[in-house]
Amino acid sequence: KQEVTQIPAALSVPEGENLVLNCSFTDSAIYNLQWFRQDPGKGLTSLLLIQSSQREQTSGRLNASLDKSSGRSTLYIAASQPGDSATYLCAVESGGYNKLIFGAGTRLAVHP
Amino acid sequence: GAVVSQHPSRVICKSGTSVKIECRSLDFQATTMFWYRQFPKQSLMLMATSNEGSKATYEQGVEKDKFLINHASLTLSTLTVTSAHPEDSSFYICSANRREGPNSPLHFGNGTRLTVT
Repeated sequence: KQEVTQIPAALSVPEGENLVLNCSFTDSAIYNLQWFRQDPGKGLTSLLLIQSSQREQTSGRLNASLDKSSGRSTLYIAASQPGDSATYLCAVESGGYNKLIFGAGTRLAVHP
Repeated sequence: GAVVSQHPSRVICKSGTSVKIECRSLDFQATTMFWYRQFPKQSLMLMATSNEGSKATYEQGVEKDKFLINHASLTLSTLTVTSAHPEDSSFYICSANRREGPNSPLHFGNGTRLTVT
């Protein structure tokens, strides 16, 4: 059974810091790994999707890496801003098309 | 703008009543939609896969008679929580993809906060 774990559960940093969020999964048979952002009481916004054959994806200040063999992914946020404050969710597409297994998320607070 | 619309965003109901939540794909047709629930500070858990024109596929441990799913058109899926109880209070989110197959980006609705009193 696929399980996704995210560390840390919560993170509070001053503005401007570079951050690394971690995600691990137990079964390497995945189609892809995705990172989402969730604001309180809201739905999900897709940030990055890394296909199983890829090693990383970049979008603006965000960079996500994937090491499928070790079951790990990291989300790197450069020069963090207060507007980055949200919960970041990692999910793997596994066990069926569009079937996402989510981690519990990392709650990020960036203070001025 | 939003490509998946979910309604209502918030609902409060009394124990024993039924609540219907709608999920619409706004500018594309979705033969498959997905329903998740999320407890506070916990992960999203897939409840069921809604299939247009056929029965939904439920995940292990999800009561299909409790959570009725109807996908009557290519742009609308509904989730009905029947005979709701306080333990059904949760955040329900739907998603849909623009095309079939793996690696197809999923679009999520804004969720529905259900509170059963």
